[in-house]
Amino acid sequence: SYVLTQPPSVSVAPGQTATITCGGNDIGSKSVHWYQQKPGQAPVLVVRYDGDRPSGIPERFSGSNSGNRATLIISRVDAGDEADYYCQVWDRTTDHYVFGPGTTVTVL
Amino acid sequence: QLQLQESGPGLVKPSETLSLTCTVSGGSIGGSSYYWGWIRQPPGKGLESIGTIYYTGSTYYNPSLKSRVTISVDTSRNQFSLRLTSVTAADTAVYYCANVKEGSTLFDSWGKGTLVTVSS
Repeated sequence: SYVLTQPPSVSVAPGQTATITCGGNDIGSKSVHWYQQKPGQAPVLVVRYDGDRPSGIPERFSGSNSGNRATLIISRVDAGDEADYYCQVWDRTTDHYVFGPGTTVTVL
Repeated sequence: QLQLQESGPGLVKPSETLSLTCTVSGGSIGGSSYYWGWIRQPPGKGLESIGTIYYTGSTYYNPSLKSRVTISVDTSRNQFSLRLTSVTAADTAVYYCANVKEGSTLFDSWGKGTLVTVSS
């Protein structure tokens, strides 16, 4: 089955940029979605289809996808961005939705 | 805006069957352009998709859980359900229901989740 990899944690100072990667074999050929999850809450979609932002998501959230890596970028990070972030794709071969293991973003 | 709400027992004994229901409001399951799914998250761990169902009854399951999972839909009650058999402590998790718009590959709306603990 398709496997996604993410760094376990990313630390960033307020006002700086957080970069979260999501690795997978030829992930650039798939659509990647990113979810933010805060403690005790359900995940919230922050970037869809590689780099599109749903309504209500700040422009500070952006994404890209190419080759074997997709990337979520959070610009001008603030304390409210502290959360776990998960990438997700649909695996056509198994008709199954696959999540990455998640990355915890800590604002220093 | 569709709203989803999970319900079911919070405690299940090992080897028994876990059963959860997701009630959908703000729209009709029957004839809708959505797939309806279940995702789980063990305490302190990541998200795992369990499976999805279309209102016609077509199902798609996580290969790693397929032998133990059944997802069904009841359009008359606007609900869909999850059954997971022969549970162990490893099935302890927060279980979320969610939907996927037809033609999409992402989970659109999520329930708040319900914690199910497997313990004797």
